[in-house]
Amino acid sequence: GQQVMQIPQYQHVQEGEDFTTYCNSSTTLSNIQWYKQRPGGHPVFLIQLVKSGEVKKQKRLTFQFGEAKKNSSLHITATQTTDVGTYFCAGPRSNDYKLSFGAGTTVTVRA
Amino acid sequence: SAVISQKPSRDICQRGTSLTIQCQVDSQVTMMFWYRQQPGQSLTLIATANQGSEATYESGFVIDKFPISRPNLTFSTLTVSNMSPEDSSIYLCSVEEYDRERYEQYFGPGTRLTVT
Repeated sequence: GQQVMQIPQYQHVQEGEDFTTYCNSSTTLSNIQWYKQRPGGHPVFLIQLVKSGEVKKQKRLTFQFGEAKKNSSLHITATQTTDVGTYFCAGPRSNDYKLSFGAGTTVTVRA
Repeated sequence: SAVISQKPSRDICQRGTSLTIQCQVDSQVTMMFWYRQQPGQSLTLIATANQGSEATYESGFVIDKFPISRPNLTFSTLTVSNMSPEDSSIYLCSVEEYDRERYEQYFGPGTRLTVT
């Protein structure tokens, strides 16, 4: 079945530094979605990418969808303590379009 | 965006008992989803609840263990039956909305269940 994989599982970042988390699917995706879950909270929708090669920015967050629509990345610049949390990517299953979530990248920030 | 509430927010239960979790949405939605998130893990879909029909369960989840009700377009319940410590988890309900040509999924605050 379809698998969505994320790396790294953990990201420890010095405040002010940049980092990137990656998402890879075993199959071509119609779209990719990203969610953020703060510690003790629930997942919150961040963005959806649909087009091949699409790049979208939300302030310090840059999301990219690969040309083959099988991978995606989230790049955060000048990391702040507010960026702490787990970032999940998710792609719709090809048979029923229900979301398949990656394992998540848990981000901690050193002040 | 949809606003979702869940009850209870947390509970501690004894093994062998059952707990029913309620999910209320502030708008009418066709599908409601129930997820489980074990500590430090990702989200696993348990089942999809459609109004007027039986829920659709994912592989590894069965109706006897996780019965679901969907009496109307704004409400659903998930029961965790005959609980064991392995059922300790966060249970989340979710809905999907179509907005500006994009689908967005919204989650409730979750029910944190501990089984002793």
